[in-house]
Order: sequence, then structure tokens, then C-alpha cells
Amino acid sequence: QVQLQESGPGLVKPSETLSLTCTVSGDSSSLYYWSWIRQSPGKGLEWIGYIHYSGNTDYNPSLKSRVTISRDTSKKQFSLRLTSVTAADTAVYYCAKGNWNDFQSWGQGTLVTVSS
Amino acid sequence: IQMTQSPPSLSASVGDRVTITCQASQDIKNYLNWYQQKPGEAPKLLIYEASNLETGVSSRFSGSGSGTDFTFTITSLQPEDIATYYCQHYDSLPLTFGGGTKVEIE
Repeated sequence: QVQLQESGPGLVKPSETLSLTCTVSGDSSSLYYWSWIRQSPGKGLEWIGYIHYSGNTDYNPSLKSRVTISRDTSKKQFSLRLTSVTAADTAVYYCAKGNWNDFQSWGQGTLVTVSS
Repeated sequence: IQMTQSPPSLSASVGDRVTITCQASQDIKNYLNWYQQKPGEAPKLLIYEASNLETGVSSRFSGSGSGTDFTFTITSLQPEDIATYYCQHYDSLPLTFGGGTKVEIE
């Protein structure tokens, strides 16, 4: 049974960088893809991107120019970095584990507000 | 690929059969998942590949469809089924979700 926990600042200023970390406990094997998804009232659920254990990544084209997902296998963590944030990036951010095409286990989510 | 769910919300009685539809903007074969999100919680995967029940999920839930038109059904609505339900395709990247259907008890 895997558990995921998001952590990071809950408030980010406009134009700055949002940084979140997901810590994985339990099964963190190389079989899976590790994703970031966000949910805002205006846009519903939005897939941000994923990273495979191998380090391969894929991103949503709508965010690709601003997003980096990385991983630290020794710490069982993967991270999200989103640059040049605006109010439109205010959302609950989830990390999730699954195959490339689904999200089998989710973290509880963390609210990030972009405001000065 | 755009995913359109209907209705956006519905209200039904305990024991009712509830049906939600999801339409894809292009043929996605059967590359569709369904999720349940209860208030204050993260989504939970219920059905994968359009009609396959995830392990441990109640058999009250079912899915069908292929191509562009899909259906999610709760055969006998229970109070614990109060949630918002989302479809998600995986025909190609980016993975996208439907707008959700909020299910309430009358």
C-alpha cells in the first residue's frame, strides 16, 4: 500500500516559482509513473505531468514552458516546479502514482494560493 | 481531446439507478477511466479501460462505451455514493478529464 504526501508553501507571490514535493511511503517501485495534477474551481482537474522512475518526463503542453518535474529516488520523493505563477495557478495540487495512463493512488492534496 | 460530461449535477433517491455520460471530442477507443471524488478528498480510481472495475470497488458501479460515447452507472444509489464523478481519457497526451458530475441525494 503506497501513501503520498504533498508538502510546500501554501502561498506564492505572482511571478515567483511554486515548488512542491511529494513524499512516497510504501511501494515506490520502478514500475510506476509519478504525476502531478491540480484542481481549481475554474478549470477542474488538470494533469500537469509525470515522471517515470527512469527519469523520463512528459508535461501538459499548456504548462510545458513553465514546469519541471524531478525525482530523488534515494529520498522517495518527487517534486514539481512551476515558474512565473499567476492567480490562474491557484489550485489544490495533488501528487499521484499510477501507470502512464491512470492515477491509482493520490496524496491528500495541498492548496497553493498565488497572491501578493 | 475534450471530454464533456453530462449532466453537471443530478439529484436522485437512495436505491435509484444513476447514469452519467461522457463524450470525447474524437475517437478514444476504450481508453477511458472513471474517478469518484468525495467532498474534501482526493479522487479515487473506480473504473479503467471503460468497463473494468478497480480491485475492491463496489459492483454497484459499472462503465460502458467505446469510441466517443461512454456511460457510468450506479445501479442502486447509496448515501456513501455522494460525490463528484469524473471521466479521464488516455488516448494520447495530454491526459484530460471531464468537467465532473456532482451526485446528490434527494
